[in-house]
Amino acid sequence: DTGVSQDPRHKITKRGQNVTFRCDPISEHNRLYWYRQTLGQGPEFLTYFQNEAQLEKSRLLSDRFSAERPKGSFSTLEIQRTEQGDSAMYLCASSPKVRLGETQYFGPGTRLLVL
Amino acid sequence: QQPVQSPQAVILREGEDAVINCSSSKALYSVHWYRQKHGEAPVFLMILLKGGEQKGHDKISASFNEKKQQSSLYLTASQLSYSGTYFCGTAANAGGTSYGKLTFGQGTILTVHP
Repeated sequence: DTGVSQDPRHKITKRGQNVTFRCDPISEHNRLYWYRQTLGQGPEFLTYFQNEAQLEKSRLLSDRFSAERPKGSFSTLEIQRTEQGDSAMYLCASSPKVRLGETQYFGPGTRLLVL
Repeated sequence: QQPVQSPQAVILREGEDAVINCSSSKALYSVHWYRQKHGEAPVFLMILLKGGEQKGHDKISASFNEKKQQSSLYLTASQLSYSGTYFCGTAANAGGTSYGKLTFGQGTILTVHP
């Protein structure tokens, strides 16, 4: 049973460039979440999907950010025209949809540094 | 609104106990506890649902007081491996169901010394 995987694990880019991250959830988990974590803070919710439907987006997610989950399996998070303030750890989590609450399992994260 | 964790940091010697608290101003559906080591992803510890339940796992247990919207994580007979940052994540109550997204506290740094 493999866990949540993310790719790449590290990304260094120059300001203004576009970057794309990939998340592969645990097999058969139909909920997928993206969070962002900066140093010394807890993860902040960005968006989540149930199957291929994007059900909620945080106000943190500016129009430079877009996420997709085209076939209800893996997801991508794209940041356009990156800014230095985008430097953070981007975490993906998945959960099964069960009636009495869901445990979210996190992937290893993608650490982004914008120069 | 972000839940508030206390204390911000705890230093223990091996074998000592600790309690970490998490308070929310919102009606909660569930509380999730995670431990994160430096540079790694958060690791799930346990989930508590509304109803005032208490759970335990080895020497780590937690409680959820629905009336007060508070949860506490209890670490007994701490081990070196317990060191890390502990986060509570809360899911708000919306008509008896959770929308799933978690709002995390700012974290409690736990350091266990030999």
